[in-house]
Amino acid sequence: KNQVEQSPQSLIILEGKNCTLQCNYTVSPFSNLRWYKQDTGRGPVSLTIMTFSENTKSNGRYTATLDADTKQSSLHITASQLSDSASYICVVHYNNNDMRFGAGTRLTVKP
Amino acid sequence: GAVVSQHPSRVICKSGTSVKIECRSLDFQATTMFWYRQFPKKSLMLMATSNEGSKATYEQGVEKDKFLINHASLTLSTLTVTSAHPEDSSFYICSARDGGGWSTDTQYFGPGTRLTVL
Repeated sequence: KNQVEQSPQSLIILEGKNCTLQCNYTVSPFSNLRWYKQDTGRGPVSLTIMTFSENTKSNGRYTATLDADTKQSSLHITASQLSDSASYICVVHYNNNDMRFGAGTRLTVKP
Repeated sequence: GAVVSQHPSRVICKSGTSVKIECRSLDFQATTMFWYRQFPKKSLMLMATSNEGSKATYEQGVEKDKFLINHASLTLSTLTVTSAHPEDSSFYICSARDGGGWSTDTQYFGPGTRLTVL
């Protein structure tokens, strides 16, 4: 069954600290994996797109990794800021036209 | 990056009325648009896929007669919630895709519409 699992469900960290969010998937055939940031009451905004051949991709303080063999991806946030508080959603695309959303990780950065 | 707008951003209506939500791609043509709903603290749930000039494809469990989708042009899709009830209260989000398949294109999300049915 095509599934996307994210962990942890929620996370609280102090400002300035690093954190890593996980996304495991079982979908096939894999097309790409995308991480989105969704602020409360807003639409998701794309952070990174990982294709099969990409292992690591950075976007500012966000670094995404992908292990296509184990079907795992992570999103690492360095030097967290209060504005990083949001839900982070992993979306896996497959079959060229299908997609599965993870349930998201709700990150809270406290001062 | 590409921009997708939604209108209205918030709407409050009485039970039994119909509400139309617009989704526009402002600087690109979107042959495919998607409609999602999101309950508090939950992830997005795909409701339907809308292709320009053809009937929308609804996900299992979504009533097509209740959630009417029209994609009359390459830049506009509308979602009409017919005979709305309080349980339809939710955050509705649209997205537009700038290509024909997930291998290369990008999905841009709108800012969402908060529907409250009294």
